[in-house]
Amino acid sequence: GNSVTQMEGPVTLSEEAFLTINCTYTATGYPSLFWYVQYPGEGLQLLLKATKADDKGSNKGFEATYRKETTSFHLEKGSVQVSDSAVYFCALSGRNQGGKLIFGQGTELSVKP
Amino acid sequence: NAGVTQTPKFQVLKTGQSMTLQCAQDMNHNSMYWYRQDPGMGLRLIYYSASEGTTDKGEVPNGYNVSRLNKREFSLRLESAAPSQTSVYFCASSDSGGADTQYFGPGTRLTVL
Repeated sequence: GNSVTQMEGPVTLSEEAFLTINCTYTATGYPSLFWYVQYPGEGLQLLLKATKADDKGSNKGFEATYRKETTSFHLEKGSVQVSDSAVYFCALSGRNQGGKLIFGQGTELSVKP
Repeated sequence: NAGVTQTPKFQVLKTGQSMTLQCAQDMNHNSMYWYRQDPGMGLRLIYYSASEGTTDKGEVPNGYNVSRLNKREFSLRLESAAPSQTSVYFCASSDSGGADTQYFGPGTRLTVL
């Protein structure tokens, strides 16, 4: 079945450091891929998404490219801020699956001043 | 525009007790979802409703029932709570599934003693 694997956390970075959170997936067909972010004490909110191979999703300085050849959707940001401290979830939605999301286990990011 | 609301925010139950978690959305979305979040496991889909009048099982439906009361409301019921159901529960909605963005509520933290 479909699955998502994320790099384990927690990840601790200094402000202005470069961020990469790895995400790989297993799916039949061509799923849509998402990154959701969960700030402390809140629900999840969409950060970015990509719906087909080679698409790049971007938002708030974060980027991720849908790589079908490596079945990956790694999240990157060039310069993190303290306000980026949160838990990041990679997820996929299979074609004709009614929008059901399959999530990775989440990666906690802590950014220190 | 409140988005997705959930009640209650916190609940403590004893084993064997029953309760209903309420969810409502004011975005006129067709699809609604219930997830549970457990440490190290990401979010897992319990049940979903692709449209008013329909419900389907997700990845972990055992011990739960749902009701899509109308287009706005989607409730989750635990008939006989067990300690394994201690979790944070999130409701989400989207316009029509597929690659549409899911909007999440703030969550209900449930403890079963």
